[in-house]
Amino acid sequence: QSVLTQPPSASGTPGQRVTISCAGSSSNIGSNIVNWYQQLPGTAPKLLMHINNQRPSGVPDRFSGSKSGTSASLAISGLQSEDEADYYCAAWDDSLNGWVFGGGTKLTVL
Amino acid sequence: EVQLVESGGGLVQPGGSLRLSCAASGFTFNNYWMHWLRQAPGKGLVWVSGINGDGSSTSYADSVKGRFTFSRDNAKDTLYLQMSSLRAEDTAVYYCARGPVFDSWGQGTLVTVSS
Repeated sequence: QSVLTQPPSASGTPGQRVTISCAGSSSNIGSNIVNWYQQLPGTAPKLLMHINNQRPSGVPDRFSGSKSGTSASLAISGLQSEDEADYYCAAWDDSLNGWVFGGGTKLTVL
Repeated sequence: EVQLVESGGGLVQPGGSLRLSCAASGFTFNNYWMHWLRQAPGKGLVWVSGINGDGSSTSYADSVKGRFTFSRDNAKDTLYLQMSSLRAEDTAVYYCARGPVFDSWGQGTLVTVSS
């Protein structure tokens, strides 16, 4: 059981918009930034979004992030087949004094 | 280009020890916090440990505290994770990643704890 809560799966058809949620608490998301990672099958994770909604260089603007209170979300618009991957949210936890992750959401492009 | 290359994984018996290494290149190594994370087979990402730029401060997940030691050699741009009293639940791919937001990751090294 992960400290941050994500839905285990999400799906959409090409061109659709999908949203992945990440629920936490006051000690993590509520007081710290949220980062998102994309893990393509068989590869290492890649930073997708940091400081809640900042895209690293090279990440398409189809990806966007937001945070409100103790929850965050990742939105992917114009869904493409290459977006099929596992997505993880993460935040520093002030109570645990460590980084905590969501359990991951497996995105399927139908 | 930032590169992180882990090594040292393998098969070890429960109760045994193993030392992982992570060689860094392409950036000013001693300016960055660095971290180890792991991923058990078919499972999600878990943060294991972090170390500051000069190696004077470390933090650990409760699950490894007292068993794992994270160190760095800034002259060699290399990280080390000394793992002892290994348990079956430590079986995972171990990644090193650059702080503060894990913006670069290595390819990972597999540690299997089994008799």
